[in-house]
Amino acid sequence: GESVGLHLPTLSVQEGDNSIINCAYSNSASDYFIWYKQESGKGPQFIIDIRSNMDKRQGQRVTVLLNKTVKHLSLQIAATQPGDSAVYFCAENMRRDTGRRALTFGSGTRLQVQP
Amino acid sequence: EAGVAQSPRYKIIEKRQSVAFWCNPISGHATLYWYQQILGQGPKLLIQFQNNGVVDDSQLPKDRFSAERLKGVDSTLKIQPAKLEDSAVYLCASSFQGADEQFFGPGTRLTVL
Repeated sequence: GESVGLHLPTLSVQEGDNSIINCAYSNSASDYFIWYKQESGKGPQFIIDIRSNMDKRQGQRVTVLLNKTVKHLSLQIAATQPGDSAVYFCAENMRRDTGRRALTFGSGTRLQVQP
Repeated sequence: EAGVAQSPRYKIIEKRQSVAFWCNPISGHATLYWYQQILGQGPKLLIQFQNNGVVDDSQLPKDRFSAERLKGVDSTLKIQPAKLEDSAVYLCASSFQGADEQFFGPGTRLTVL
């Protein structure tokens, strides 16, 4: 089975509120995670990444937190806007037997922003 | 800068027919990926190319799926014959050699009837 999974399939928030999307992983050797945003009819778009030597990383309105003890990461979006409505995936970027890294995606959380 | 281009955007075929998808990566990107995204799921890697060579096709159903990148630029993914369970969006992505960030195209939505 997949080593990356999400707690909630759909999250509905009011415009202006903060959003938190959660993700769990099972492989303690995982060392690199990426959050992607996928809007309807488009391919996934890179949002932010974090490596296992960090607990927190911030971008513009987004923060990713990594808790290696419980194998959990979260994406926080501040002041959520209608344009943030999309499906969000956490992806694990692990080195495979080929020696090369490859992405394994979770099943995604749909974020709905209510005006 | 132009993004990853894919065509067609939509395709409807009958089961047992053949279909091909085309991808043009971002200029200069040596690494090209094909993913299958079934409705309600995250993308799943099918095959990864480095220039014109395959570096990972461990999840490609080789009895019916094939892919090539003959000149190390454009790539084609083929399904022959298609099954109902092949209905999905097929995404192409590219990256600079050795880089972690992948850039995705808009995908081709395949419906197999």
